Amino acid sequence: DQQVKQNSPSLSVQEGRISILNCDYTNSMFDYFLWYKKYPAEGPTFLISISSIKDKNEDGRFTVFLNKSAKHLSLHIVPSQPGDSAVYFCAASARPSGYSTLTFGKGTMLLVSP
Amino acid sequence: GAGVSQSPSNKVTEKGKDVELRCDPISGHTALYWYRQSLGQGLEFLIYFQGNSAPDKSGLPSDRFSAERTGGSVSTLTIQRTQQEDSAVYLCASSFRNLGLAGRDEQFFGPGTRLTVL
Repeated sequence: DQQVKQNSPSLSVQEGRISILNCDYTNSMFDYFLWYKKYPAEGPTFLISISSIKDKNEDGRFTVFLNKSAKHLSLHIVPSQPGDSAVYFCAASARPSGYSTLTFGKGTMLLVSP
Repeated sequence: GAGVSQSPSNKVTEKGKDVELRCDPISGHTALYWYRQSLGQGLEFLIYFQGNSAPDKSGLPSDRFSAERTGGSVSTLTIQRTQQEDSAVYLCASSFRNLGLAGRDEQFFGPGTRLTVL
């Protein structure tokens, strides 16, 4: 049973346009959400996060939106650049046990073409 | 060190052999995590260390998998009697784990070890 779902395995966008990557979750105990970016042969790198007490967090070209009632979050990249081409993983954590083990989605491969 | 390092970067082994994968976390990071990513799958949690103890081993898929951490630093993941389904990229992450912060402790990942079991 997948608790974090990224239903789009890939997304192609033109440079300068907006990229929207989506993520759905099923576990209502999740209260912290993260996006990681992964280039080939490298480990994932942290991109942006959001706590469940917020519905939006912005960092430069990257904005994450959280809709708790729909158990849905999205990552917006504006404007998209070719260097953004990578696999993006959505991750979530619940903290009743006091540490933040992450549950990851399967990832969405973003390709930004010049 | 500058980041999380893992060795070897690639490992090819024969079915039934044992393998050891190594992780060197960022200096000073008390929390260490092992994940694996099988082909077409997301990252799957395996085990979490706080210091040298492992309060959560719930992700280890079978008793062929074990891990240890010594000196609050280096960790080794051992897979005994490897099977073809063990083929995956094994990723290690570490974090500072400052519970006083309102935010979560960011996990920093190593580049992974690609394990291929023939």
